[in-house]
Amino acid sequence: EAGVTQFPSHSVIEKGQTVTLRCDPISGHDNLYWYRRVMGKEIKFLLHFVKESKQDESGMPNNRFLAERTGGTYSTLKVQPAELEDSGVYFCASSRTRMVNEQFFGPGTRLTVL
Amino acid sequence: AQSVTQLDSHVSVSEGTPVLLRCNYSSSYSPSLFWYVQHPNKGLQLLLKYTSAATLVKGINGFEAEFKKSETSFHLTKPSAHMSDAAEYFCVVTVYGNNRLAFGKGNQVVVIP
Repeated sequence: EAGVTQFPSHSVIEKGQTVTLRCDPISGHDNLYWYRRVMGKEIKFLLHFVKESKQDESGMPNNRFLAERTGGTYSTLKVQPAELEDSGVYFCASSRTRMVNEQFFGPGTRLTVL
Repeated sequence: AQSVTQLDSHVSVSEGTPVLLRCNYSSSYSPSLFWYVQHPNKGLQLLLKYTSAATLVKGINGFEAEFKKSETSFHLTKPSAHMSDAAEYFCVVTVYGNNRLAFGKGNQVVVIP
């Protein structure tokens, strides 16, 4: 069974540009989560999808971040326009059920905003 | 709100000696607690979990953790470190029914040959 995959693994952009991160969950997992780790800080929850619906987006930092999950399969997280403080590692996780102990994580996308 | 504290961001251990990573939690309710590990260029992997059953929890790769409510702690231990244990370890807390995971800052473990 393939794990959670994320693309790209690294992205370097300039302030003001747009970046789109992609996450492919494990097949059959209805629940998809985004987390972020900013340099020197802990990993923080961003949002949770159940299929294509946003179940909880209370962790999204501001309206420059837009997450979508059309069709309930893969998800994208767009940052527009990117700011310096958006730099960090963005993790995606998925789970078959809503039990938190079944979240499977991807390797993350390292975003650097210059 | 629930949170966890991990001190000692970097921990060095000699191969073959015990590993101890400390975690203290804060939660208004009965917590579920986890330890995750991240090896370089890999995703976060669940090591073990506590969900109100046995207080001594055994995980993968010889790790275990003990839930101590009186001390609000969930320390991770391993009797003998192996080179492959070099990684970053995260203590995580959540509340039943809540899908958020609240992470500690992590312990970067270096194993010295």
